Amino acid sequence: QKEVEQNSGPLSVPEGAIASLNCTYSDRGSQSFFWYRQYSGKSPELIMFIYSNGDKEDGRFTAQLNKASQYVSLLIRDSQPSDSATYLCAVTGANNLFFGTGTRLTVIP
Amino acid sequence: DGGITQSPKYLFRKEGQNVTLSCEQNLNHDAMYWYRQDPGQGLRLIYYSQIVNDFQKGDIAEGYSVSREKKESFPLTVTSAQKNPTAFYLCASSIGPTGYEQYFGPGTRLTVT
Repeated sequence: QKEVEQNSGPLSVPEGAIASLNCTYSDRGSQSFFWYRQYSGKSPELIMFIYSNGDKEDGRFTAQLNKASQYVSLLIRDSQPSDSATYLCAVTGANNLFFGTGTRLTVIP
Repeated sequence: DGGITQSPKYLFRKEGQNVTLSCEQNLNHDAMYWYRQDPGQGLRLIYYSQIVNDFQKGDIAEGYSVSREKKESFPLTVTSAQKNPTAFYLCASSIGPTGYEQYFGPGTRLTVT
């Protein structure tokens, strides 16, 4: 079982819609959770982090964490074509982060 | 500006040659990491360092070597023993080793023919 699992997609949503990206993890001891955005050919960019159960909002982005169910999600409201990218979920391990393989999001104008 | 720099952006080498990728950070971060990313795949950890003069193997360390002589610098050498070295190499750093977010440099795309 992989430490972090994501649906590879592609996930396509129309412009203005809500994009929902999901991630599950295997280590119940994980304490910190991160979402990165990676444009094609570029390096990952941190967009959200969450430590506590519940929701955390930052602009159009909302991260949701449910430790009991071991999942973390990212909602993107009012999706824009510029949001088209691969989104990586990352979860803390003993000495570093475990990354999922990413979900490719396409926002259709 | 604070950040992580990697050089060069693109690197071409012949098989059998060792090559060193540079990674420098001025964020005063203690921990640094090297990842490899292949097309359509996730990030795989090569090596990481939590403090100066100390580093640990990641999941795919074979054929790679690193040094951490200065806090700011964490160069990666891809040796001729690495069987499939062509990939996108990413350096990252974090304030501390556990529980902290990692910030990435722009990456080096290595092509070996």
